[in-house]
Amino acid sequence: GAGVSQSPSNKVTEKGKDVELRCDPISGHTALYWYRQSLGQGLEFLIYFQGNSAPDKSGLPSDRFSAERTGGSVSTLTIQRTQQEDSAVYLCASSLGGVLGEQYFGPGTRLTVT
Amino acid sequence: AQSVTQLGSHVSVSEGALVLLRCNYSSSVPPYLFWYVQYPNQGLQLLLKYTSAATLVKGINGFEAEFKKSETSFHLTKPSAHMSDAAEYFCAVSVSSRTGTASKLTFGTGTRLQVTL
Repeated sequence: GAGVSQSPSNKVTEKGKDVELRCDPISGHTALYWYRQSLGQGLEFLIYFQGNSAPDKSGLPSDRFSAERTGGSVSTLTIQRTQQEDSAVYLCASSLGGVLGEQYFGPGTRLTVT
Repeated sequence: AQSVTQLGSHVSVSEGALVLLRCNYSSSVPPYLFWYVQYPNQGLQLLLKYTSAATLVKGINGFEAEFKKSETSFHLTKPSAHMSDAAEYFCAVSVSSRTGTASKLTFGTGTRLQVTL
């Protein structure tokens, strides 16, 4: 079946612009996660959604970052007023939930802020 | 808080040689531990996970890892390296949500494995 998909695969934007990154999880997966992979910080958790529960936003680095998940499926990560330090690969993952639910990762969106 | 430390950002082995990638964890509660692999320009793929059912865990592609509580370690091994094993490997610990319905992963900094002829 289809895996986790993300779009766009690459995004170049100018400093100060807003960007939206999209994630389509595996159908039926109730949990959805966003991570960021950068040279300086490695792989870091940003936010996750689980069913109808309030999302865990504890990893968002600033209030310029926000995410939503519509209808329990597609998620959008929005970065406002982008800065050069936002340049990274943004990874989305989904799982069936639970502590041991395997997280399936998408290929990522490479964001470059110029 | 849980964390993992991967010793060695780069490891180089000859094809056919033993692969050993080190991971140590820190956790105040029994941890759930994972190894993921990332091939160039691809997403992360789960190699194996420790769920407390058995201390020696076998994964895909001939990899295995042993959970050693006394050493707080979860090292990844493969008896004989293949060229196709060249990738970046990440150790991770799962941090349960307050309700236990989901978890987020805390990753180590990764180890890049190079396999030479």
